[in-house]
Amino acid sequence: DGGITQSPKYLFRKEGQNVTLSCEQNLNHDAMYWYRQDPGQGLRLIYYSQIVNDFQKGDIAEGYSVSREKKESFPLTVTSAQKNPTAFYLCASSPGDRSYHEALHFGNGTRLTVT
Amino acid sequence: AQSVTQLGSHVSVSEGALVLLRCNYSSSVPPYLFWYVQYPNQGLQLLLKYTSAATLVKGINGFEAEFKKSETSFHLTKPSAHMSDAAEYFCALYNFNKFYFGSGTKLNVKP
Repeated sequence: DGGITQSPKYLFRKEGQNVTLSCEQNLNHDAMYWYRQDPGQGLRLIYYSQIVNDFQKGDIAEGYSVSREKKESFPLTVTSAQKNPTAFYLCASSPGDRSYHEALHFGNGTRLTVT
Repeated sequence: AQSVTQLGSHVSVSEGALVLLRCNYSSSVPPYLFWYVQYPNQGLQLLLKYTSAATLVKGINGFEAEFKKSETSFHLTKPSAHMSDAAEYFCALYNFNKFYFGSGTKLNVKP
């Protein structure tokens, strides 16, 4: 079945360490997104990519980095510069500009805890 | 500016009662609108979407939503709540290559 796979589901890190969250999709979607979810704040966009080798900052990009070397993969690195990294991270994809009405497809998320 | 407002962060209904979750939007162009559901520790699943074909949109699990341009609203309803409907619901808007989400409404269903 086609879908989005995020791994790991739970991740624990010490403060000051960088950590990379994996996101892989086999939907042949052009666009991929990273969101951060905190209780009561909905989803906030971190980065998005409309095409391979190109990505744009979202609303809360500081302290995060991404790459898009392959269409299927969009890993997110949470760096030590992110002041409050503990959160639930969601990866999503959509067909992209050619299908404006298509919804986002989401992975099951990674819960990151930094102590 | 594009934005989505969900009125009521928590809604509680009895099993079998009407479910009404409110969503208002602000958009500079005709919007694409969506409702998603999220169960604990999972991603979001699409319930339904509005793409201008019809103002009353039917989705999965008996949910529907009506697009009202004059009220800039896209409220989600279900005639009879089921225990399995307990979850968090998000309204979202798509414009200019970005999705804008509301802050979510947690639905509690009482037996």
